[in-house]
Amino acid sequence: EPEVTQTPSHQVTQMGQEVILRCVPISNHLYFYWYRQILGQKVEFLVSFYNNEISEKSEIFDDQFSVERPDGSNFTLKIRSTKLEDSAMYFCASSVVGEETQYFGPGTRLLVL
Amino acid sequence: AQKVTQAQTEISVVEKEDVTLDCVYETRDTTYYLFWYKQPPSGELVFLIRRNSFDEQNEISGRYSWNFQKSTSSFNFTITASQVVDSAVYFCALYPGTGANSKLTFGKGITLSVRP
Repeated sequence: EPEVTQTPSHQVTQMGQEVILRCVPISNHLYFYWYRQILGQKVEFLVSFYNNEISEKSEIFDDQFSVERPDGSNFTLKIRSTKLEDSAMYFCASSVVGEETQYFGPGTRLLVL
Repeated sequence: AQKVTQAQTEISVVEKEDVTLDCVYETRDTTYYLFWYKQPPSGELVFLIRRNSFDEQNEISGRYSWNFQKSTSSFNFTITASQVVDSAVYFCALYPGTGANSKLTFGKGITLSVRP
């Protein structure tokens, strides 16, 4: 069964460093999402992306964040200058256009020291 | 505004017991979708069930069943004959009916522990 994959599974970085989280959505899906989950808290929406542009973003998704689809398969989330409070699990998800169900990847656990 | 409330934070049951997870939602949309996702200790989010707002028929799928009541804005999820592998955090989520491919709004999750 096709699934969303994410790399790396874990990332440790120093405050102020840039990180890029990578996702490979399900191949026939064209809508992509990033969510994050701070430890012990609920899953929060960051951004959705379609047709090479951002469809919707939350107030969390400030200028430090950016998303990109650099090629036909990858979807990336970049955090330019990480802060301690960026430590969280980051989930990528994808869906078929017009379809409600979003399928999530296994997540990348980011720790900012 | 969309809101999902999962008032239960932790539930502990003994294997083979039935357990019901509560979810209450708020939305101004007349059409919307409700989901349950499972997050096992390994951390991934696993889609379990989806329900649309115009179909209040309750269903059973294996050991899972759900009770959707629009009048009380509730979407409760029941696991029958629980197993240790059911131990996980369970999230209820709301998807707006207006506009395709919108964001999911999650509740805070319920930690379910099933003891052998």
